[in-house]
Amino acid sequence: DTAVSQTPKYLVTQMGNDKSIKCEQNLGHDTMYWYKQDSKKFLKIMFSYNNKELIINETVPNRFSPKSPDKAHLNLHINSLELGDSAVYFCASSYLTSRNEQFFGPGTRLTVL
Amino acid sequence: AQTVTQSQPEMSVQEAETVTLSCTYDTSESNYYLFWYKQPPSRQMILVIRQEAYKQQNATENRFSVNFQKAAKSFSLKISDSQLGDTAMYFCAFMIGSGNTPLVFGKGTRLSVIA
Repeated sequence: DTAVSQTPKYLVTQMGNDKSIKCEQNLGHDTMYWYKQDSKKFLKIMFSYNNKELIINETVPNRFSPKSPDKAHLNLHINSLELGDSAVYFCASSYLTSRNEQFFGPGTRLTVL
Repeated sequence: AQTVTQSQPEMSVQEAETVTLSCTYDTSESNYYLFWYKQPPSRQMILVIRQEAYKQQNATENRFSVNFQKAAKSFSLKISDSQLGDTAMYFCAFMIGSGNTPLVFGKGTRLSVIA
């Protein structure tokens, strides 16, 4: 019973391609997040959705477009991939009364060649 | 803006010994939460311990405890009786207490437990 799942876990692609990463949570949470972990292991928020609505959009290139079809899903689509997009992308979710704990997915390692 | 600083990029400890990881933060908020997350080589992010800023009592979870000094904006993690499975990256993180806000992470400390 995976609480927060991401697909795929690994993604290798060529520069210029478009790719998507999917995230699903079965915890009944109302808020979902995308974080990026760079090659130096630094984690930074990219987007946050609450009840399917975008509430936080950090300074991320508009080649990155999140989509939340429902509260349990938050997908990340990336257009025109660049070498610098290589990173690990984590999805997370939380609920207001769950002591503010965020539950993380296993991460997707994206490698752009 | 909130910032989190972990001044020790790498640390090592002998098995069964105690180690303390440092974290300081900067904020003008009065209501916030602090966390320590562990990231083993599997890269899964695992919550180790959390602390509410309004609580004076330091949080403890089995072998893990924190030293929360609110005035000094310091939040260190103590790991007692270190085990090989504690080898991981440890991230200190901050969250504004209004709920469902993003985590702000420090740069991490790589901890190696040596047999």
